[in-house]
Amino acid sequence: GAVVSQHPSRVICKSGTSVKIECRSLDFQATTMFWYRQFPKKSLMLMATSNEGSKATYEQGVEKDKFLINHASLTLSTLTVTSAHPEDSSFYICSAPSGGRNEQYFGPGTRLTVT
Amino acid sequence: GQQLNQSPQSMFIQEGEDVSMNCTSSSIFNTWLWYKQDPGEGPVLLIALYKAGELTSNGRLTAQFGITRKDSFLNISASIPSDVGIYFCAGARSGGSNYKLTFGKGTLLTVNP
Repeated sequence: GAVVSQHPSRVICKSGTSVKIECRSLDFQATTMFWYRQFPKKSLMLMATSNEGSKATYEQGVEKDKFLINHASLTLSTLTVTSAHPEDSSFYICSAPSGGRNEQYFGPGTRLTVT
Repeated sequence: GQQLNQSPQSMFIQEGEDVSMNCTSSSIFNTWLWYKQDPGEGPVLLIALYKAGELTSNGRLTAQFGITRKDSFLNISASIPSDVGIYFCAGARSGGSNYKLTFGKGTLLTVNP
């Protein structure tokens, strides 16, 4: 299957700072990538759709000014959590479709802890 | 947003037993996907189904796309300890540029050696 990487895998930051998470498709190109958030023992919650060369599309209730998404190339999307607060602590996962079908491949996730 | 109805929520079985879990929806999907997630990791795609009635196997895993397009099941035969994890179903409605997935709440599988 297609390979998606994320960096960093874990990050601890202080309240009020910003954190950038990278999502890369390693062996395929992705004009679209997706960002999810997952709380402990819960399912994945779609935050936004990242579109290469255009603005991201955010799901209802997700603050676009807080979760900045940039999809600058066909293999890289970044999620920046701005002015992070403890309630932003979560597991963030990206995914990308490959092969022209509806299969999505997920990155390994990033554990964000805001102190 | 909408979620799929996935059951059971959790299962505790003995090694060697077969397992079955399913997902249902009130609306139609064009694609059903099954993922497994280990603690602290991203979901890994197990099986993808594209056609109503399709039955697909991947080793000890078998999944089917329901005829009505509103349901899917996943079977695991002869379970082993490494099958432990959370299994998610996911549905997609269309291809092209709209790849949004709708997820079930997951089935937590525990295998007792």
